[in-house]
Amino acid sequence: NFMLTQPHSVSGSPGKTVTISCTRSSGSIASNYVQWFQQRPGSAPNTVIYENDQRPSGVPDRFSGSIDTSSNSASLTISGLKTEDEADYYCQSYDAYNWMFGGGTKLTVL
Amino acid sequence: QVQLQESGPGLVKPSETLSLTCTVSGVSVSSDTYYWSWIRQPPGKGLEWIGYIYHSGNTNFNPSLKRRVTISVDTSKNQFSLKLSSVTAADTAVYYCARARIAVAYVDYWGQGTLVTVSS
Repeated sequence: NFMLTQPHSVSGSPGKTVTISCTRSSGSIASNYVQWFQQRPGSAPNTVIYENDQRPSGVPDRFSGSIDTSSNSASLTISGLKTEDEADYYCQSYDAYNWMFGGGTKLTVL
Repeated sequence: QVQLQESGPGLVKPSETLSLTCTVSGVSVSSDTYYWSWIRQPPGKGLEWIGYIYHSGNTNFNPSLKRRVTISVDTSKNQFSLKLSSVTAADTAVYYCARARIAVAYVDYWGQGTLVTVSS
């Protein structure tokens, strides 16, 4: 089994840019796609990035995803922060046998 | 459009079996493009993958839950179901059913979630 580690919290001011990291403990981050979900309180998660860097229709281009093999991590970057971006964000990936979610990162827009 | 809706008891006694059903509309559970999945979230905590089923009936489960989990599919009703046996308070969570694209584990549709509380 592998784990995905995210920072517990990040914050940023409206209009600024924040990046949330997701580090894979074993196995290459490039071996399996990474997804990112946004979850507002009381709601089901909603995909903002799939297959490392793809945006579902309806997700603004302020959201972008990437992977970095040197740090074995994935990143979600949100630019032009808006108050509506305040939520919990989860990364998710898989291997041949299991799916795994990161522990979640609370984004606060100050 | 695609919709998933969980249903089942909101309260289960310790040591009993939790049973939930997900009713799918807008797409057939017989499709060979998707996994039909269960994911849960304890109150105030993160997401945990429970397992999934493929239209053929093949399943895959979280190793930490594997001994207690059964997932089945009913193509005649366009539903899939979760059973979790020998529940304890640690199984109290919001349970989500979800659709995921095979091979890439991309969860593209979620149910709204249903809270199941384990308590006597």
